[in-house]
Amino acid sequence: NAGVTQTPKFRILKIGQSMTLQCAQDMNHNYMYWYRQDPGMGLKLIYYSVGAGITDKGEVPNGYNVSRSTTEDFPLRLELAAPSQTSVYFCASSFLTGGSGANVLTFGAGSRLTVL
Amino acid sequence: KNQVEQSPQSLIILEGKNCTLQCNYTVSPFSNLRWYKQDTGRGPVSLTIMTFSENTKSNGRYTATLDADTKQSSLHITASQLSDSASYICVVSAGGGADGLTFGKGTHLIIQP
Repeated sequence: NAGVTQTPKFRILKIGQSMTLQCAQDMNHNYMYWYRQDPGMGLKLIYYSVGAGITDKGEVPNGYNVSRSTTEDFPLRLELAAPSQTSVYFCASSFLTGGSGANVLTFGAGSRLTVL
Repeated sequence: KNQVEQSPQSLIILEGKNCTLQCNYTVSPFSNLRWYKQDTGRGPVSLTIMTFSENTKSNGRYTATLDADTKQSSLHITASQLSDSASYICVVSAGGGADGLTFGKGTHLIIQP
């Protein structure tokens, strides 16, 4: 059981370039999330989805877009990359809603993005 | 604004010793508190989830405590092992919303042989 798979693991972008971070889960989880982790900071929620076709903004959505065409996939799109988007990005999924006491988030291994 | 503060920021201990990590939070309303372990270069992995009514919860050598009155939690690691070297993240849930989690900055723990 692969869990949550993120690709690529590392990427270097030039300012103004665009790219998509891929995320796939094979646990049939309804909820999926994208977080970013900056050095010395807590994870910040970028976007989340409660099911196929439904997405919502998190705390730091500017400069990003997402789509959820299937239950399994939740890609994160960076348009016009900026140095401020240099970070480690984590995709996560859960069976129940993120705040529920019975819920556990399963995280991917992360994608380290550098914008120069 | 909901906040989660962890201390110490980093900690170095010798293998076999015990240690305690602290988490203070100002999250309202409170639903539950989680401790995650994050190995270098990996995603966080859940250690425990504690609800309002739970004071203590153990997972092997890891024991978490929660005092909902003082809004404090601790994670105690017994007989530390080299594999315990990681960042430990405290996460507090404000309720049922999918965006209701507040993450602490983590405590970076290094176990030396």
